[in-house]
Amino acid sequence: DAKTTQPPSMDCAEGRAANLPCNHSTISGNEYVYWYRQIHSQGPQYIIHGLKNNETNEMASLIITEDRKSSTLILPHATLRDTAVYYCIVFRWGMEYGNKLVFGAGTILRVKS
Amino acid sequence: GAGVSQSPSNKVTEKGKDVELRCDPISGHTALYWYRQSLGQGLEFLIYFQGNSAPDKSGLPSDRFSAERTGGSVSTLTIQRTQQEDSAVYLCASNTRGGDTQYFGPGTRLTVL
Repeated sequence: DAKTTQPPSMDCAEGRAANLPCNHSTISGNEYVYWYRQIHSQGPQYIIHGLKNNETNEMASLIITEDRKSSTLILPHATLRDTAVYYCIVFRWGMEYGNKLVFGAGTILRVKS
Repeated sequence: GAGVSQSPSNKVTEKGKDVELRCDPISGHTALYWYRQSLGQGLEFLIYFQGNSAPDKSGLPSDRFSAERTGGSVSTLTIQRTQQEDSAVYLCASNTRGGDTQYFGPGTRLTVL
């Protein structure tokens, strides 16, 4: 799987948008970009994923650049409960690739009041 | 409509003892994964079950680790002769098939004294 690069930490003011970047310059055409987060002492929580097009759901938006070498997760109105480690993962489907998620160090997002 | 459940939530054991950790996947999910997360570290893949296929055991760190999945549902991860370096949070995830979004349980925190 392609590696991802994320900043180790970010701060965001409560109520403001949190924009979390991720670089995945070696991503291949059949690899998806997934975002998970892990709130302290909990299991990872799925947020969103995409292939080429931008995606939005009730939790967040995912903006993927046209060349797919980077993406940004947007939490439109961050709350204190969004404080967590956010993981950007590049994932390729298929039994031959193991179907396992490879987690990096992620970005620690601290939402402050 | 519960999510992935794991038991126990916490387990403290003495070095050299065997432990069993249990995972109940989401109903209808045919794929099941075990990961572990050591203190301050990212998630590490251990093993993957998909239906009746032979499991992918490529992530198991030693032959002291084994897992089984009975009846295509519940899975048990067994660690024999536990060592202090086995202390970690053990996470289970499941999905409807190998290529779908993985949903995680809350984890079992194992402490080996």
